[in-house]
Amino acid sequence: EIVLTQSPDTLSLSPGERATLSCRASQSVSGSSLAWYQQKPGQAPRLLIYGASSRTTGIPDRFSGSGSGTDFTLTISRLEPEDFAVYYCQQYGSSPPLTFGGGTKVEIK
Amino acid sequence: EVQLVESGGGVVRPGGSLRLSCAASGFTFDDFGMSWVRQVPGKGLEWVSGINWNGGNTGYADSVKGRFTISRDNAKNSLYLQMNSLRAEDTALYHCARGEPDSGYDDAFHVWGQGTMVTVSS
Repeated sequence: EIVLTQSPDTLSLSPGERATLSCRASQSVSGSSLAWYQQKPGQAPRLLIYGASSRTTGIPDRFSGSGSGTDFTLTISRLEPEDFAVYYCQQYGSSPPLTFGGGTKVEIK
Repeated sequence: EVQLVESGGGVVRPGGSLRLSCAASGFTFDDFGMSWVRQVPGKGLEWVSGINWNGGNTGYADSVKGRFTISRDNAKNSLYLQMNSLRAEDTALYHCARGEPDSGYDDAFHVWGQGTMVTVSS
C-alpha cells in the first residue's frame, strides 16, 4: 500500500499570498497517477488536478500541480477568499487500495 | 446534468448489515468504473471499494475485505455496497464516485455524490 503524507497539516495565509502544499508518497506513484481535491465544509470533495499536473475543466489557472515519483506539489499562485478549504492528494497508480493523504487545511491568517 | 445520488444509510447495531445504493444520471453509466469512498465527519477520506465498468474487476480496502461487497446493475444505472458485520469504526459518510470513461476503478474521481451517512452504534 502506498502511504501519502501531506504537509503541512495547516497553512495560515492571507488572500493574495501563494500557497504551496506538499504530498509525499512512501513509494513511487506509477504513471504520475496523482490527484488533488479541494473540500469545503458540508460539501463533497472537488477534483482540481489529475495526472499530477492536468487541471480539471473549470478549475482556475491559479491552481497548478507538479511533481513525479514520490514528491508532488499543489500550488495556488494567489489565494482567493473561496480557496480557503482542506486539500487532499490521492494516488491511483497502485491499487488496491487507492489511497489519500491526510489533508492540508488552508486557513485565513 | 451529471449526478450521483446515494441512499440507504442509517443507524445499525454492531454486527448488522446495510445496503447502500448510488443512482447515476446524466452520463452513460456502463462506460465508467465506480468507487465508494468514506469519510468520518471532521476526518480524512478513505477509499473503500471499486468496480470496473462490467463488474468483472473489483477491489477492496483491507479494512472492509470479506465484509463488504460492491456490485452494479448497468441496466438500472446503479451502484451498490452490501455492508455486513458492521463495526463502530465503519461509521462514516459514504460517497460514490466516478472516474474517467474506459477506465477501471483505479482513477481520479471526477464526479462525487453528496453521500449517505452510516452510523454503527448499540
